[in-house]
Amino acid sequence: GAGVSQSPRYKVAKRGQDVALRCDPISGHVSLFWYQQALGQGPEFLTYFQNEAQLDKSGLPSDRFFAERPEGSVSTLKIQRTQQEDSAVYLCASSLYESSYNSPLHFGNGTRLTVT
Amino acid sequence: QKEVEQDPGPLSVPEGAIVSLNCTYSNSAFQYFMWYRQYSRKGPELLMYTYSSGNKEDGRFTAQVDKSSKYISLFIRDSQPSDSATYLCAMTAENTNAGKSTFGDGTTLTVKP
Repeated sequence: GAGVSQSPRYKVAKRGQDVALRCDPISGHVSLFWYQQALGQGPEFLTYFQNEAQLDKSGLPSDRFFAERPEGSVSTLKIQRTQQEDSAVYLCASSLYESSYNSPLHFGNGTRLTVT
Repeated sequence: QKEVEQDPGPLSVPEGAIVSLNCTYSNSAFQYFMWYRQYSRKGPELLMYTYSSGNKEDGRFTAQVDKSSKYISLFIRDSQPSDSATYLCAMTAENTNAGKSTFGDGTTLTVKP
């Protein structure tokens, strides 16, 4: 079956533009996570959804970042008025159950955002 | 200082060597410890997870946790060129969502044929 799919794979935005990044999780997966991975660093947690409910957004770096998952499947991460420091790979991950160590995270291959 | 520190690498070994990858951490609340493998331009892939102290073996991989020293390791035996990747350690505290992990910055491994 298909894994986690993210689009676009690459995005170049001029500073100040808004961008929208899409994540298609594995069908039926309850949990969905967004992570940000800067060059040469590990992923950093941004936000978590359980079905359509956003239960944790403590990692979003500013109010320019917004995520939604309105029907409990596809999710969109939106960044308004992009800044150069937003340049990173944005990773989406899903898991079958909520909060279980027997339900591993499946990561997509990410969207590489470059802000010029 | 970061909560999770990982040996920066890069690490280059000949095929067949035993590889040791290490992380230290400062948050004593961390109870769950994971190792991910990340190939270039791909997402991380979970290799192993362990709970609390001790060893766990899976094929050529052994994960070791020493909570008293706040130190974890991943050993790879009989390393292969296909093991060439960045290895990330990750940790989660008790009563925290399993997917909300704190990651190290990764060690890049190259296994030469």
